[in-house]
Amino acid sequence: NAGVTQTPKFRILKIGQSMTLQCAQDMNHNYMYWYRQDPGMGLKLIYYSVGAGITDKGEVPNGYNVSRSTTEDFPLRLELAAPSQTSVYFCASRGDQRDTQYFGPGTRLTVL
Amino acid sequence: GENVEQHPSTLSVQEGDSAVIKCTYSDSASNYFPWYKQELGKRPQLIIDIRSNVGEKKDQRIAVTLNKTAKHFSLHITETQPEDSAVYFCAAGPSGSSNTGKLIFGQGTTLQVKP
Repeated sequence: NAGVTQTPKFRILKIGQSMTLQCAQDMNHNYMYWYRQDPGMGLKLIYYSVGAGITDKGEVPNGYNVSRSTTEDFPLRLELAAPSQTSVYFCASRGDQRDTQYFGPGTRLTVL
Repeated sequence: GENVEQHPSTLSVQEGDSAVIKCTYSDSASNYFPWYKQELGKRPQLIIDIRSNVGEKKDQRIAVTLNKTAKHFSLHITETQPEDSAVYFCAAGPSGSSNTGKLIFGQGTTLQVKP
C-alpha cells in the first residue's frame, strides 16, 4: 500500500491564482482530513470528510473548498490565493474502526 | 472553542536524561489523546496514544499518562537519544467508530537531545 499520497510536493502561487492540492489514499478509509501547519505551530483542521459525498468545515475553512466524489480522493481547492495561505498542507485518513490518523507527506505552498 | 495547550514550547536535555511534555485540553468530551513526532520536513507520525478508559500506557522508552479529572495528559521519554530530537505534538478528540475523528492539536514542543 502507498498509504496517503499528496501532490504536488511544492508550489509557488501568485496572489489571486487558484490551485488544487491532491490527496489520495489506498486503504479504503472513509474518514479524511485536511490540515494546515504554519511555521512553528501545530496543525489546524481545514475540512474533513466522513465518506464519499460528505464533507464538513473544520477550524479554519475560509478560503478553501473540498469535494469527495470517491472514497480514495479528497482534493483541496484554493480559489483566490492569499499570502496568509502560505503554509504546509497535510492530508490524513482514518479507518472506520480505528482512531489513528495517517498523514501524507505534505505540500509546501508559498503565495507571493 | 475547544483548545489544547502544550508546554514547554522548547526542551533541551542531555542524552540519557528524561523528557516530559505536558498538555491540557478544554473539551470534556475528548477521550482520545494521541502523540505525534515530526522530524524536520517530514510528516507527523503517531508514536503513542491513550484513551480515557486508562490512566497510563507505556511502549518501551515512551509513556503517556492521563488525568481526565484535571484534563491533562503528559508524554514521558526516558533514556533520551539524539534520534529523539524532533517536534512533538499532542492532540485531543473523540474516540470510537462513527465519530468525526476531529482532533485539536497542541502548538508543539521542539525537543533537542544533546549528545
